[in-house]
Amino acid sequence: DAGVTQSPTHLIKTRGQQVTLRCSPKSGHDTVSWYQQALGQGPQFIFQYYEEEERQRGNFPDRFSGHQFPNYSSELNVNALLLGDSALYLCASSATGDYGYTFGSGTRLTVV
Amino acid sequence: AQRVTQPEKLLSVFKGAPVELKCNYSYSGSPELFWYVQYSRQRLQLLLRHISRESIKGFTADLNKGETSFHLKKPFAQEEDSAMYYCALAGGSEKLVFGKGTKLTVNP
Repeated sequence: DAGVTQSPTHLIKTRGQQVTLRCSPKSGHDTVSWYQQALGQGPQFIFQYYEEEERQRGNFPDRFSGHQFPNYSSELNVNALLLGDSALYLCASSATGDYGYTFGSGTRLTVV
Repeated sequence: AQRVTQPEKLLSVFKGAPVELKCNYSYSGSPELFWYVQYSRQRLQLLLRHISRESIKGFTADLNKGETSFHLKKPFAQEEDSAMYYCALAGGSEKLVFGKGTKLTVNP
C-alpha cells in the first residue's frame, strides 16, 4: 500500500492564478482532510471531505474549495492565489471516526 | 474553541537524558489527544494516542484533565529521536487541531 499519495510535489504559481492539488487516500480510508502548513507553524485545518461532501471547514476563505470523488480521492483548489498562500499543503486520510490520520508528503506551493 | 499549546519551540537534550515535551490544550469536553512526529525528510506520522495508553519507541504520554496537559516523555533519549513533534487535539468535531510543534534535538 502506497499510503497517501499527493501530487504534484512542488508547484510554482503566479499571484492571481488558480491551482489544483490532488490526493489519493490510503487504501481502506474514506475520509480526507486538507491542511496548510506555513513555515515554522503546525498544520492548519482547511476542510474535511467524507462521502463526497465537505463535512467541516476551518477558517479559510472561499477561495479554497475542494472535492471528493467516488473513489475517495480528493482535490484542493485555490483561486486568486496570494503570496500568503505559499505553504506546504498536506492531505491526510482516515477511516470514518478515526483521528489516527495518515499523512501524505505534501505539495509545496510557492506563489510568486 | 479548541486550542493546543506547545510552549517550547526548541528542545535540546543529551543522549541518555530524560526528555519531556510539553503540551497543553483548551477544550471544555472530553478530548482525544495525539502526538505526531516528523523525522527529517519524512512525512508526518502518528506516534501515539492517549486512548490506547501504549508506549511507542519508549515514549509515553498521560492525559491530565485537571491540568489540561498531555506531555510526551521518554526516560532515556536517543539520537534517532531528533525530530519535530506535534501535539494534536480532537474535540468532538471532525477536525484535528495541531500545536505549532517542538523541535527536539538529541545531542551525542
